[in-house]
Amino acid sequence: EPEVTQTPSHQVTQMGQEVILRCVPISNHLYFYWYRQILGQKVEFLVSFYNNEISEKSEIFDDQFSVERPDGSNFTLKIRSTKLEDSAMYFCASRDRGSPGWAEAFFGQGTRLTVV
Amino acid sequence: AQSVTQLDSHVSVSEGTPVLLRCNYSSSYSPSLFWYVQHPNKGLQLLLKYTSAATLVKGINGFEAEFKKSETSFHLTKPSAHMSDAAEYFCVVSMNTGFQKLVFGTGTRLLVSP
Repeated sequence: EPEVTQTPSHQVTQMGQEVILRCVPISNHLYFYWYRQILGQKVEFLVSFYNNEISEKSEIFDDQFSVERPDGSNFTLKIRSTKLEDSAMYFCASRDRGSPGWAEAFFGQGTRLTVV
Repeated sequence: AQSVTQLDSHVSVSEGTPVLLRCNYSSSYSPSLFWYVQHPNKGLQLLLKYTSAATLVKGINGFEAEFKKSETSFHLTKPSAHMSDAAEYFCVVSMNTGFQKLVFGTGTRLLVSP
């Protein structure tokens, strides 16, 4: 069964450092997302991406965050200068339009980011 | 804008008894609704989805949910709980148009005792 894969599974970084979280979405999917879940809290939307551009972003997704799909397969989330409050589980998801209505999003296993 | 309310942060049941996890949604347009499960230290797995076809939806592991437009509800049920059902359950809404994101509820932690 096709799946979304994320690397690394765990990342520890020092405050102020840049991190890149990587995702390989399901190959025929068209819509890509990043979500995060701070420990013990709800899953929060960060950004959606379609046709090589951001289609929507949340208030959390400020200038420190960026996404790109550099080679048509990988989908990356970059945090330029990490803060302690960026510590969370980050989930990548991909989705095809489906019929009828919207298909479900397939989520990766997540990257646990710890900022120290 | 769409939103989801999960009425219970924790639900405790005994193994073999029924499970009911409640979810109410708010959406300006015809929504798609999903239930995802998250086992400890694991990712998010789809249990079932409603996308404007049958209102009673059957999912994996014996779970089902009924879309009730008049009550704006999408409650998750299972006739008989198993120990392996202990996990966090998220009700999720998405609009049927555009590139709409998934909006998560706050989650319900299901505890199953022997």
